[in-house]
Amino acid sequence: DIQMTQSPSSLSASVGDRVTITCQASHDISKYLSWYQQKPGKAPKLLIYDASNLQTGVPSRFGGSGSGTDFTFSISSLQPEDIATYYCQQYDNLPLTFGGGTKVEIK
Amino acid sequence: EVQLLESGGGLVQPGGSLRLSCTASGFTFSNYAMTWVRQVPGKGLEWVSSITSSGASTDYADSVKGRFAMSRDNSKNTLYQEMNNLRAEDTAVYYCAKVGATILDALDIWGQGTMVTVSS
Repeated sequence: DIQMTQSPSSLSASVGDRVTITCQASHDISKYLSWYQQKPGKAPKLLIYDASNLQTGVPSRFGGSGSGTDFTFSISSLQPEDIATYYCQQYDNLPLTFGGGTKVEIK
Repeated sequence: EVQLLESGGGLVQPGGSLRLSCTASGFTFSNYAMTWVRQVPGKGLEWVSSITSSGASTDYADSVKGRFAMSRDNSKNTLYQEMNNLRAEDTAVYYCAKVGATILDALDIWGQGTMVTVSS
């Protein structure tokens, strides 16, 4: 199974700050990585697919990069509505596996 | 509007059975693979199973293999998860999610989830 190591597990930042989350795969997964946002009591929402492609309708302050084993997710200017837990997920191979999540809070 | 709506969750005793349903609308259901993902409240996301667009092929996490059976009825735009011999560790919110043309793709649409509680 491909293990996905996501860090940090939580972070606190001010409105307007740039936020960065990393995700490392235990094997080369090429570009087959997605990022999801989950707000409390809600289902996850796809933000980024194929490592760097923004899902339709997602604000451009969200972004992703990387390939192979190392990936980065960023929010260029944190907004109050971005408070959520973010997950990475690989779909290069079954079983599909998720990172442990990063809880983003406002300082 | 593209939508997935799960139903069928509830309280069941250990060793019992439950069938979850997921009804799709707003897209051509038969063109897409589908996936179930579960989440223990307060914890992370865990892939459970996936099915191809035709329903001819399914895959399962080791934790549910032999106990869960995923199927679909494309004429009814509905996905199913038959869960047998349920254990306490199966307690979670179960989400159905739309995949791409193949099983190996991002999960672009999610249902609201249905809670399954396994307890005596």
